[in-house]
Amino acid sequence: SQQGEEDPQALSIQEGENATMNCSYKTSINNLQWYRQNSGRGLVHLILIRSNEREKHSGRLRVTLDTSKKSSSLLITASRAADTASYFCATDPGANSKLTFGKGITLSVRP
Amino acid sequence: DAGVIQSPRHEVTEMGQEVTLRCKPISGHDYLFWYRQTMMRGLELLIYFNNNVPIDDSGMPEDRFSAKMPNASFSTLKIQPSEPRDSAVYFCASSWDLKETQYFGPGTRLLVL
Repeated sequence: SQQGEEDPQALSIQEGENATMNCSYKTSINNLQWYRQNSGRGLVHLILIRSNEREKHSGRLRVTLDTSKKSSSLLITASRAADTASYFCATDPGANSKLTFGKGITLSVRP
Repeated sequence: DAGVIQSPRHEVTEMGQEVTLRCKPISGHDYLFWYRQTMMRGLELLIYFNNNVPIDDSGMPEDRFSAKMPNASFSTLKIQPSEPRDSAVYFCASSWDLKETQYFGPGTRLLVL
């Protein structure tokens, strides 16, 4: 099974609303990353949060990490149609382990 | 830097043909990753290199797949012979560290008929 699993699988919201996406993982991690993928494009790194951090901001993005619950959330505030994309979380489950990506969340922002 | 460069962007071939995908990583990145993305299986890591040396190829589906990195600025992923089930988008990514940010190329969309 996936180390990182996103929830929900799909999300549809109105422009201007906030979008919250969650990621749960199974083993201890060094860091957790969120990526965005627009249709027909490669993944683009959004934000990295380390295991000793609880919250991080980047523009309209806010990421939280709860290591006790082994979960993270990505909040996009004041969403725009251009935020329509798939969002992936990626974790590194061990000392010499590579990043493992979840299956992604499809976000649709209606204009 | 131009970012990770992949070629071709699209490839249509017939079953049994050899397919070669190419990648130029970001200069200075020591790690190079090859991924495959399909609707059914999501994003799968096929193989990664560190300083041009293959480190983990456990994701390579079978012997029909091979990857090389002859120097720090070039890698190839070869499928021989290709099969319809190999149809997918293949991404190359590079990074300065195994666990840090990965920079993805635009991908090669492969269709095997």
